[in-house]
Amino acid sequence: GAVVSQHPSWVICKSGTSVKIECRSLDFQATTMFWYRQFPKQSLMLMATSNEGSKATYEQGVEKDKFLINHASLTLSTLTVTSAHPEDSSFYICSGNDRGQETQYFGPGTRLLVL
Amino acid sequence: KQEVTQIPAALSVPEGENLVLNCSFTDSAIYNLQWFRQDPGKGLTSLLLIQSSQREQTSGRLNASLDKSSGRSTLYIAASQPGDSATYLCAVIGGQFYFGTGTSLTVIP
Repeated sequence: GAVVSQHPSWVICKSGTSVKIECRSLDFQATTMFWYRQFPKQSLMLMATSNEGSKATYEQGVEKDKFLINHASLTLSTLTVTSAHPEDSSFYICSGNDRGQETQYFGPGTRLLVL
Repeated sequence: KQEVTQIPAALSVPEGENLVLNCSFTDSAIYNLQWFRQDPGKGLTSLLLIQSSQREQTSGRLNASLDKSSGRSTLYIAASQPGDSATYLCAVIGGQFYFGTGTSLTVIP
């Protein structure tokens, strides 16, 4: 099946710094990519949807100026957590749609810990 | 807004037992429903995808059913093994993925 990678898999940073997470579709072109957040013992919550070459659509309650999403190519989307705080510590998972398909392929996730 | 609930939240069974995980959703206007497995600290592994026109899907010891009219899906795991221990998530697909709250399964050797 289609493969999605995320980098880094783990990141620890100090409060106030910015962190960039990359999401890559390795063997398909992802016209749409999705970013989810998962807090401990909770389910995945969609943060935003991004289409290649256009601005991301954010879910209600997600600050677009804090979580910057760039989807500059059909195989790469990035999520930048700006001025990270301890409450941003979470597991971030991306996924991508292969062209014209409903199925989403999920990345392995990135665990962010903000000290 | 679609709400997806999974019951039970946690389940512990002895090895070899058959078990059923439940998923319910509030809006029956869905495209598909998908079951995933998530190991601790890991991403999602797709188990079964049921299209809205289908009633069930089978893969090995797993069988998933879908009843759109009642807003329910079940995941049946036959002859459970310790390696089945994980959190199982259902996702209702209708424009976007709506994930359930998950069932944490422990299979005791």
